[in-house]
Amino acid sequence: QQQVKQSPQSLIVQKGGISIINCAYENTAFDYFPWYQQFPGKGPALLIAIRPDVSEKKEGRFTISFNKSAKQFSLHIMDSQPGDSATYFCAAIDNDYKLSFGAGTTVTVRA
Amino acid sequence: DGGITQSPKYLFRKEGQNVTLSCEQNLNHDAMYWYRQDPGQGLRLIYYSQIVNDFQKGDIAEGYSVSREKKESFPLTVTSAQKNPTAFYLCASSMGGMNTEAFFGQGTRLTVV
Repeated sequence: QQQVKQSPQSLIVQKGGISIINCAYENTAFDYFPWYQQFPGKGPALLIAIRPDVSEKKEGRFTISFNKSAKQFSLHIMDSQPGDSATYFCAAIDNDYKLSFGAGTTVTVRA
Repeated sequence: DGGITQSPKYLFRKEGQNVTLSCEQNLNHDAMYWYRQDPGQGLRLIYYSQIVNDFQKGDIAEGYSVSREKKESFPLTVTSAQKNPTAFYLCASSMGGMNTEAFFGQGTRLTVV
């Protein structure tokens, strides 16, 4: 029973296109929402993170949108590049420092 | 060179044997975590520790045990009670407060033979 629901499981996008990954949660104790990027055979690495009092955060081509009332948040990858091909995980941290992950989305960017 | 180190990278275990995975960090982080990664299921939390000599069960703790005797070390033992132990295991650490980044090791791939 995943505490953070993530979709889609995989997506394919053309170079220059937009990749969108969605996540939802129920636990109102979650207070910080990071996104991680993972390449095959490697550990995940932090990409971007947001607090629930912020509705949007942008870092380069990566943007998080956050809807606190709906308990949903999403990652947008603008101008997708082949080097962005990886698995992306949304995550959430509660006030006991428990870090829970979504199931992951495998993004493939076609040149 | 600061970081989090997992060893070994690959591990083979016979059925019925216990095996211990090592995780060491020199980042002076308070919190440490163990995750299991299976295809299509993302990262599932096994155990986590906020401070030395204290740890909590995650979502899939059955068949696993941990210890936190030192701040820099958080070994995971996969016991014979774990019925399906073949997986990729990831260790992470963070400063432990809210809004802090978790750093991951490179993982240990455990295979039961």
